[in-house]
Amino acid sequence: DVKVTQSSRYLVKRTGEKVFLECVQDMDHENMFWYRQDPGLGLRLIYFSYDVKMKEKGDIPEGYSVSREKKERFSLILESASTNQTSMYLCASTLNGAHHGYTFGSGTRLTVV
Amino acid sequence: AQSVTQPDIHITVSEGASLELRCNYSYGATPYLFWYVQSPGQGLQLLLKYFSGDTLVQGIKGFEAEFKRSQSSFNLRKPSVHWSDAAEYFCAVPTYTGNQFYFGTGTSLTVIP
Repeated sequence: DVKVTQSSRYLVKRTGEKVFLECVQDMDHENMFWYRQDPGLGLRLIYFSYDVKMKEKGDIPEGYSVSREKKERFSLILESASTNQTSMYLCASTLNGAHHGYTFGSGTRLTVV
Repeated sequence: AQSVTQPDIHITVSEGASLELRCNYSYGATPYLFWYVQSPGQGLQLLLKYFSGDTLVQGIKGFEAEFKRSQSSFNLRKPSVHWSDAAEYFCAVPTYTGNQFYFGTGTSLTVIP
């Protein structure tokens, strides 16, 4: 089975800290995605990447950046964490198109205090 | 523009009862359609998908969904709900470029004994 692993299930960070959320997939998928999930708002796309060193903004990229130095790893960076970034963060990957379906990680619940 | 709508935010059913979760889509052509399930504290798991052909598709965990072009719907059904089906369910359609998904806002299912 394809596995998408998010390094932390729960994180608590202080306002202003730089935060790194890591995501690794083990099936040579081309495309990787970061979403945040909030009650009543569903899943919102932050950033995605179609290939190494490539990145595209999603619907809500403000306050975030990403890094994809290796195909299997896609990192989400909160440059200066704020309380409104408290959320569930989900990483997903797909071979080379949404028609294959996404494989999701288990999520990271981030609390910024 | 493509979109999916899940009209029901929350549904409660009794264990053993039948279930239908609604999904309506807006798409310029015959879409690929997906249902995902998210158990509490977990990432999303693919339940089933429709590409073409038979309009009734079977998925995992005893779920099925029916594509109805005339109603622009792709409703998820299960004949007899189990307590372990309590979760959040998301309908999704790929974008025209095929690289991302539009997700519905989700339907939360509660199962009562």
